[in-house]
Amino acid sequence: QQQVKQSPQSLIVQKGGISIINCAYENTAFDYFPWYQQFPGKGPALLIAIRPDVSEKKEGRFTISFNKSAKQFSLHIMDSQPGDSATYFCAAVTSGTYKYIFGTGTRLKVLA
Amino acid sequence: SQTIHQWPATLVQPVGSPLSLECTVEGTSNPNLYWYRQAAGRGLQLLFYSVGIGQISSEVPQNLSASRPQDRQFILSSKKLLLSDSGFYLCAWAGGVRLEQYFGPGTRLTVT
Repeated sequence: QQQVKQSPQSLIVQKGGISIINCAYENTAFDYFPWYQQFPGKGPALLIAIRPDVSEKKEGRFTISFNKSAKQFSLHIMDSQPGDSATYFCAAVTSGTYKYIFGTGTRLKVLA
Repeated sequence: SQTIHQWPATLVQPVGSPLSLECTVEGTSNPNLYWYRQAAGRGLQLLFYSVGIGQISSEVPQNLSASRPQDRQFILSSKKLLLSDSGFYLCAWAGGVRLEQYFGPGTRLTVT
C-alpha cells in the first residue's frame, strides 16, 4: 500500500512531441505529489508538485494531471526538447510522516 | 537561500574499510534530513531519515549507520564496507512543515 507504481520504465520521444509519464498509488493518506528530474551523475531536482485538492498544475512546459478518484497522477512534458532527456521520478508523501515514497523512475530520451 | 553540501564527491574504498560520508545544510534550521542510495540505473532507496538531533530512523537493516551530531549535519557511516555498498549516495533535506524535499549533489562510492 506504500508503493508508488511508475510507468513506463523508459520512453523515447521526438523533439517537439509530448512526453507522458504515469504514476499510481494506493494509500489515500498521501497528500503531496512531487516530480523530480535527474541528470546522470547529479542529484534529483524538484521539478513540479501538486496537492490532491487540484486536478492540474502547470509550470512552463511541465504539467501535472491529478485524478484523485483513480489514485493516479501524471507528468506531461509539452514540446519535449533534447535537454529534457533525463530520468524522472514521481513521489508521494503524507504530511507529518516525513517519508517520501518514490516511483522506480522513467528514463526519457528526446531525439533531436 | 538554502544549500546542501555533500562530500566527498567520489570515493573508492576497498572491501572491509570504514566509511564516513558527510552532508550539511545551510540557510535553514531544524530540517528533516535523509540518506538515500541509488544503484546504477535504479531508483532511490531510503536508508535513514532524521527529524532532529540524535533522532535517526533506519529503513533498511544493513551494515550502515547514520548520525546527526548537529542540527544541519548528517553523517553516514560504516565500519566495514561490502561490495554491495557501492552506489550513488544522496543526502536530502525537507524544511519542517514544508513538504518539498531537496537533494544534494551526491557521492559516488565504489567498493573494490
